Amino acid sequence: SQKIEQNSEALNIQEGKTATLTCNYTNYSPAYLQWYRQDPGRGPVFLLLIRENEKEKRKERLKVTFDTTLKQSLFHITASQPADSATYLCALVFYNQGGKLIFGQGTELSVKP
Amino acid sequence: NAGVTQTPKFQVLKTGQSMTLQCAQDMNHNSMYWYRQDPGMGLRLIYYSASEGTTDKGEVPNGYNVSRLNKREFSLRLESAAPSQTSVYFCASTPLISGTGGYEQYFGPGTRLTVT
Repeated sequence: SQKIEQNSEALNIQEGKTATLTCNYTNYSPAYLQWYRQDPGRGPVFLLLIRENEKEKRKERLKVTFDTTLKQSLFHITASQPADSATYLCALVFYNQGGKLIFGQGTELSVKP
Repeated sequence: NAGVTQTPKFQVLKTGQSMTLQCAQDMNHNSMYWYRQDPGMGLRLIYYSASEGTTDKGEVPNGYNVSRLNKREFSLRLESAAPSQTSVYFCASTPLISGTGGYEQYFGPGTRLTVT
């Protein structure tokens, strides 16, 4: 069955540094991979998606890479701020099954001032 | 636009009781989903509805039923609640065709359910 794994441990970084989160998957060749942000007590919020034919995608301070050979996506937040502290989730998209998603377990990011 | 709304926000049930979680979206989205989220487990798909009139099982459907009442509403029913169903439940929706073309999902605020 398909499996998707993220950094299991929380990530603590200093304000201004770049945070890098990892998402690895097996037994699937997704056409799309998505990243979401989740704050405590709230639902996830969509951030970015990347397609299989895209190596890199950027949105403001966010950058996502997608290596279909390694079956890995990296999510970077540059010039991190305390407001970036949250849990970040990656998800594989099954576009031929009603767009359903399989999520990783999430990585908790804490940015210290 | 309210987006995706869920009721109730909190619920406590005794083992064996039944209840229905309600979800509605006002974005004219075609597909709707129910997830549960448990500590360390991430979000797991319970059921989804790719379009009005259809429903399919996700990863963890046992103990649940769903109804896609119309395009706006998708309800989740627990017929006989068990302590293992203590969780946070999220409803989500996605348009068939979006600006990104990538099926991004829009989530509700969640229902926190405790079964004692």
